[in-house]
Order: sequence, then C-alpha cells, then structure tokens
Amino acid sequence: SQTIHQWPATLVQPVGSPLSLECTVEGTSNPNLYWYRQAAGRGLQLLFYSVGIGQISSEVPQNLSASRPQDRQFILSSKKLLLSDSGFYLCAWSGASGGARETQYFGPGTRLLVL
Amino acid sequence: AQRVTQPEKLLSVFKGAPVELKCNYSYSGSPELFWYVQYSRQRLQLLLRHISRESIKGFTADLNKGETSFHLKKPFAQEEDSAMYYCALPGAGGTSYGKLTFGQGTILTVHP
Repeated sequence: SQTIHQWPATLVQPVGSPLSLECTVEGTSNPNLYWYRQAAGRGLQLLFYSVGIGQISSEVPQNLSASRPQDRQFILSSKKLLLSDSGFYLCAWSGASGGARETQYFGPGTRLLVL
Repeated sequence: AQRVTQPEKLLSVFKGAPVELKCNYSYSGSPELFWYVQYSRQRLQLLLRHISRESIKGFTADLNKGETSFHLKKPFAQEEDSAMYYCALPGAGGTSYGKLTFGQGTILTVHP
C-alpha cells in the first residue's frame, strides 16, 4: 500500500536560517506531489506542485522553493526564513492520470515555528 | 479565476441536530468538487466527491450549478463529526492542471 512520510514533525528555527523539509512517498510511481501551507485563519494554501522529476510549479511568490530530485521525493527549502513562514506544512501525493481530480493523500505535516 | 469560498470559519451544533457546511465556488466550465476532512490528530483526508454521489459517514453534498454551491449536509450530527472541513475544486487544465484550490475551511464542533 502507499504511504507518505514527512519530516521533521516539528521544527523551531530562527529568522534568517535555512530550511529543508522532506517528503517521501512509498508504494507508487510517478505520483503528482504537492506542498501546502496551513496557516492560522488562512486555510490551506497550495505552494508548489510537481508532475515529474525536476518539474515544479510555483503557486505563490515567496522565499520558499521546492525540488524533486527523485520520483518519490519532494523537498521544500528556504535560504533565509521569515517570521511569516511559520505554519503547518503539508505534503500530499495523488495519482497522475487525472491531475487534480485524483484523490490527494496527505502526510502528517511539519509544524514550523520561526522565531 | 477559480475560487472556493467557505463563509463560516466556525460552526457549532448540538448532537442530533442537522448540520450544513457551506461552500460556494467560482469556475468557468463543469466543476468537480470535493470535501476533505481533518479530524483531531489525524491526517487530512478525502471525505467525498460529488461525482461519486455517495453518502460517507452520513454526509452528502449536492452540486447546485445555479447557485454555484456544494454544501455538505448531515441530518443528525454526531460528536465524532467534530473536525476541520475543506471544500476543494480542481483546476480545469492547462496551467491549472494538477492544481486543487481549497476553501478557507470550517471548524465544526458538535456538542453533546
């Protein structure tokens, strides 16, 4: 069966420090991959999605970036964190054939606090 | 541009009462809508999709194209229904392919 992992679960970082959040999927190949941010009072915001290795679409201008070095690995990064980057980050995968009409399966999330 | 609006951030009902979580959308074309749910200490997961026309955990949602709505309803709420609910709309294609737009979410609390 398919599983999705995210780490770390919780992270406290100072302003200006770098960030690397990792997401991996098991049990499927060529998934669509997504990064979302769930901020208090702002719902669920799509940050990036990827339909294949090295293919990244950015939805929101920001100081975050994403990379997909392997088929089932999706990384969210920042060179210098801002206070406004605090939030709950969710990774998700879906099958590729139906695009966003496919069910999305979410990871457990990473809670990031920037101080 | 496509948009999903959930007007209620918080919704409280008593056990056994009917509940309706509102969702309105803006979309040019034939939409396909979803409801996702996040229970306490659990992962966000799909609750139902309108194309399936099924009832999940007693919830149903009907797509009303005239009112551009996809409200989630349950005739008799249970305490275990307390959760965050998101309405979601997939992109049509082109540059929107693969993109799922979520509403702001509604926190439902069912009191005993």
